[in-house]
Amino acid sequence: AQSVTQLDSQVPVFEEAPVELRCNYSSSVSVYLFWYVQYPNQGLQLLLKYLSGSTLVKGINGFEAEFNKSQTSFHLRKPSVHISDTAEYFCAVSSPNSGNTPLVFGKGTRLSVIA
Amino acid sequence: KAGVTQTPRYLIKTRGQQVTLSCSPISGHRSVSWYQQTPGQGLQFLFEYFSETQRNKGNFPGRFSGRQFSNSRSEMNVSTLELGDSALYLCASSYTASKGETQYFGPGTRLLVL
Repeated sequence: AQSVTQLDSQVPVFEEAPVELRCNYSSSVSVYLFWYVQYPNQGLQLLLKYLSGSTLVKGINGFEAEFNKSQTSFHLRKPSVHISDTAEYFCAVSSPNSGNTPLVFGKGTRLSVIA
Repeated sequence: KAGVTQTPRYLIKTRGQQVTLSCSPISGHRSVSWYQQTPGQGLQFLFEYFSETQRNKGNFPGRFSGRQFSNSRSEMNVSTLELGDSALYLCASSYTASKGETQYFGPGTRLLVL
């Protein structure tokens, strides 16, 4: 079975500082990996996804993530955050080889950007 | 193109009642998935429909059910509501729900059970 661990439930960071949100997954098969963002009172929006190819994935709003198969990680990074990045971030995994299993989400990391 | 819409946005019910939530996917999308989001359990998969057929179901009791219509709109129903059913219910749509495909989420229906 697949699982996702987001190592930090809350991450405070000053505006214009860099940030890394950590995500580790557990799967015995190949995976697809996703990062979603949820702003207050809204649904989830896809930031980026890794399906195959280059392990460095660039997404919207200046975010990027790196797939590391040996460490089973998919950490999300941004070099300089803005107040508007304050939101909850979810890492998710699915597998191309496991039938109709759905997306499995981590518990989320609440990013708070401080002015 | 309009996004995923969910109605109603907010609901207050009492224990024992039942509730029906509605989701209209993005035009052309044939797959609809439902998730329950709570502070304690996070995002949990409820079920997925494609072309009016339930393709997958999460680990929820039979009180939770759903269906999809020929126009791809979907409803989920929760009967005999319990306090623990209070949650944000999110609907997501995609063209075919193939594994790498992006799912587009609606704003959710926030259900409070008193």
